[in-house]
Amino acid sequence: GAVVSQHPSRVICKSGTSVKIECRSLDFQATTMFWYRQFPKQSLMLMATSNEGSKATYEQGVEKDKFLINHASLTLSTLTVTSAHPEDSSFYICSARDPDRENTEAFFGQGTRLTVV
Amino acid sequence: GQNIDQPTEMTATEGAIVQINCTYQTSGFNGLFWYQQHAGEAPTFLSYNVLDGLEEKGRFSSFLSRSKGYSYLLLKELQMKDSASYLCAAMDSNYQLIWGAGTKLIIKP
Repeated sequence: GAVVSQHPSRVICKSGTSVKIECRSLDFQATTMFWYRQFPKQSLMLMATSNEGSKATYEQGVEKDKFLINHASLTLSTLTVTSAHPEDSSFYICSARDPDRENTEAFFGQGTRLTVV
Repeated sequence: GQNIDQPTEMTATEGAIVQINCTYQTSGFNGLFWYQQHAGEAPTFLSYNVLDGLEEKGRFSSFLSRSKGYSYLLLKELQMKDSASYLCAAMDSNYQLIWGAGTKLIIKP
């Protein structure tokens, strides 16, 4: 099956610094990728939809300037958490669907555990 | 609005059978997914239903009734490793996934 690789799996950073998370589709070209965050014991919350070659579409309440998304190629999307604060500590997960197989599973990256200290 | 409902937590015994229910309301419908998520890990795909009926895949089966906006995940011969959260997600007309909050399944020996 298709594989989505997310890196890093775990990161600890200081308040005020920026963290970049990468999401790659390894064996298909993903025109659209999705970024989620998940707080403990809660469901996945869609943050934004990343579209290759155009601006990301952010969900209501998600700060565009804080969570920068770049989808520069058909296999790579990045999420940068800028000026991170402890409340940004969370589990961030990306997913992608193979555009040639729309009504099928969403393939998930391994997730990134971000801890801001 | 769009909404997914599933129980917060369920407990079952090793070797037994458990059914996790999910009801959904979405703008359009392009299928119902079940995912398994162990603590601290990303969700992994279990099943996809778009037509009414039961889909069986080993110890796991998933059922869908589109007219009732209802699905369930059936787990047989429960093993301790099945202790996890089970997420129900419906795909709407824009092919976007609407997620339930997940059902935490606790397996007891």
